[in-house]
Amino acid sequence: EVQLVESGGGLVQPGGSLRLSCAGSGFTFSGYEMNWVRQAPGKGLEWLSYISTTGRAMYYADSVEGRFTVSRDNAKNSLYLHMNSLRAEDTALYYCGRESFGGNTVDLWGQGTLVTVSS
Amino acid sequence: QSALTQPASVSGSPGQSITISCTGTSSDVGGYNYVSWYQQHPGKAPKLMIYEVSHRPSGVSNRFSGSKSGNTASLTISGLQAEDEADYYCSSYTTSRPYVFGTGTTVTVL
Repeated sequence: EVQLVESGGGLVQPGGSLRLSCAGSGFTFSGYEMNWVRQAPGKGLEWLSYISTTGRAMYYADSVEGRFTVSRDNAKNSLYLHMNSLRAEDTALYYCGRESFGGNTVDLWGQGTLVTVSS
Repeated sequence: QSALTQPASVSGSPGQSITISCTGTSSDVGGYNYVSWYQQHPGKAPKLMIYEVSHRPSGVSNRFSGSKSGNTASLTISGLQAEDEADYYCSSYTTSRPYVFGTGTTVTVL
């Protein structure tokens, strides 16, 4: 089955750090660009980060640039999001998403992992 | 990068057609044919419904169609069904970032 499965979410204090993981299966993970998207409770979707197939190119939303770092390990079919200096406003459901071959469309989504930033 | 503008809610009766708009600028919607639409049911992950303005992925009903004029893209749902009740988001490529999402629209089937 073609799928993405996120993990690593949880409760963290403001200023803390967390690493999210996304495992891909059922497709050639190394051949796809990947993204992270989040959704705060009751709010809309917010694109956070993109990484190229090789991991050499990365882009970030202004809201997380300098605090979040995206990486991937193609040997492990895994995508990561390293989150530092977490704030209350980072509380959200975090999705990983596969970019389509044509680009600029997320054609496969995981089920999300919840991050709660609170003291 | 500001979110693309969508109406907060749209409603229609079963069998009717509804259209959701997605307004951006020449730096995103108007500048590229990379507009996508996603459907999200409560508690579920988003699902791709339309890509590159008007293309449907395999398995998506042909009741869903997309178009664009200038800086505004549109998603039309024809023959509205109860299962179409969901939140819908547009997204676009932008000059500064790979993606910007719309504010989201809740579709209600009366």
